[in-house]
Amino acid sequence: DAGITQSPRHKVTETGTPVTLRCHQTENHRYMYWYRQDPGHGLRLIHYSYGVKDTDKGEVSDGYSVSRSKTEDFLLTLESATSSQTSVYFCAIRSVLEYEQYFGPGTRLTVT
Amino acid sequence: ELKVEQNPLFLSMQEGKNYTIYCNYSTTSDRLYWYRQDPGKSLESLFVLLSNGAVKQEGRLMASLDTKARLSTLHITAAVHDLSATYFCAVVPQKLVFGQGTRLTINP
Repeated sequence: DAGITQSPRHKVTETGTPVTLRCHQTENHRYMYWYRQDPGHGLRLIHYSYGVKDTDKGEVSDGYSVSRSKTEDFLLTLESATSSQTSVYFCAIRSVLEYEQYFGPGTRLTVT
Repeated sequence: ELKVEQNPLFLSMQEGKNYTIYCNYSTTSDRLYWYRQDPGKSLESLFVLLSNGAVKQEGRLMASLDTKARLSTLHITAAVHDLSATYFCAVVPQKLVFGQGTRLTINP
């Protein structure tokens, strides 16, 4: 699992509430990513980070923000959750070797 | 905009048969990845293909890359039930872009 954990693993929240998902890695990888997975869409990149306090947007970044104050943690925040953000969220790191990405176990988020 | 298209999206096979999953992408990429996902689980890396003509094999799965045709294939030989999963290809000109996934079901 490349030392990646995500928390929480499951969450149910109401529309309009803020939600923060955490990704934690133990192997000091520089690059970290947040994806969402929805049926028929594969995985789509939300945001990524290329170092502490260095982040950039992916293809579906609207409604999401991220922060990375230390190498091991990458936080994804939904400022005001909407039902369209119901999804499974995966965190990933990029290894130095062959730029391969390894994925965390995922967080299933339901917005009611 | 980079597009990655897999086909078929759904594939039901019989054990012992051979089949191929195709992955087409729309812009230049010198690196292509194949992942496997079991229901309710995370993605597991299968192959990393780094150059034109690259071929990698693991058990009953073999992946190849043709960068000129912008095409990768995942070939399944003599399918067994344990290979039932969803398979994704992904390319990364700059950021990883995934295909839609191919849900493979192998029937006895």
